[in-house]
Amino acid sequence: EAGVTQSPTHLIKTRGQQATLRCSPISGHTSVYWYQQALGLGLQFLLWYDEGEERNRGNFPPRFSGRQFPNYSSELNVNALELEDSALYLCASSLGSAGAREQFFGPGTRLTVL
Amino acid sequence: SQQGEEDPQALSIQEGENATMNCSYKTSINNLQWYRQNSGRGLVHLILIRSNEREKHSGRLRVTLDTSKKSSSLLITASRAADTASYFCATDFSGGYNKLIFGAGTRLAVHP
Repeated sequence: EAGVTQSPTHLIKTRGQQATLRCSPISGHTSVYWYQQALGLGLQFLLWYDEGEERNRGNFPPRFSGRQFPNYSSELNVNALELEDSALYLCASSLGSAGAREQFFGPGTRLTVL
Repeated sequence: SQQGEEDPQALSIQEGENATMNCSYKTSINNLQWYRQNSGRGLVHLILIRSNEREKHSGRLRVTLDTSKKSSSLLITASRAADTASYFCATDFSGGYNKLIFGAGTRLAVHP
């Protein structure tokens, strides 16, 4: 069974540009989560999508947005990139949204903003 | 902050020794999960322990949970060089918010 996949592996952008990161969950998983792992800040929750809807959002500005498609894959968009957006962005998926849920993570996309 | 805290920040041991990492958190939880991360890449799920469970085993891993003290520990027995990684606890808070709150992690180095 394939795990969570993310693309691209690396992404280099300049300040002010937009970045789009993609995630495909494990087959059968309907919930997708996005986390940011920046140096010195640890792993921080960004967004949670379930059944195509945004269910919860972390403490990030509105220029961080995303969506979930009918096939449950997801995109994370970061507009007006700032230098401090440089980080490893991790996507996770889980089976449904009720009860105790193990989140399974992808390998991440490393975003570098110059 | 609701973030959990791991202790110690770094741990260096020899192969064959046991490694114990601790995690503390601040509010009521649904469950607590432990993850491993190698070289800044994706996280690997190790164990999920529910709030009504006190101990759980998986191979060489043993996790305990003390909800009265709001703490958990991860024990790796008979460590191997391949166990070298960062280990994170993550709490799923009561209230159904579905977001994991991660601690800062423990960096474990196992020397041959």
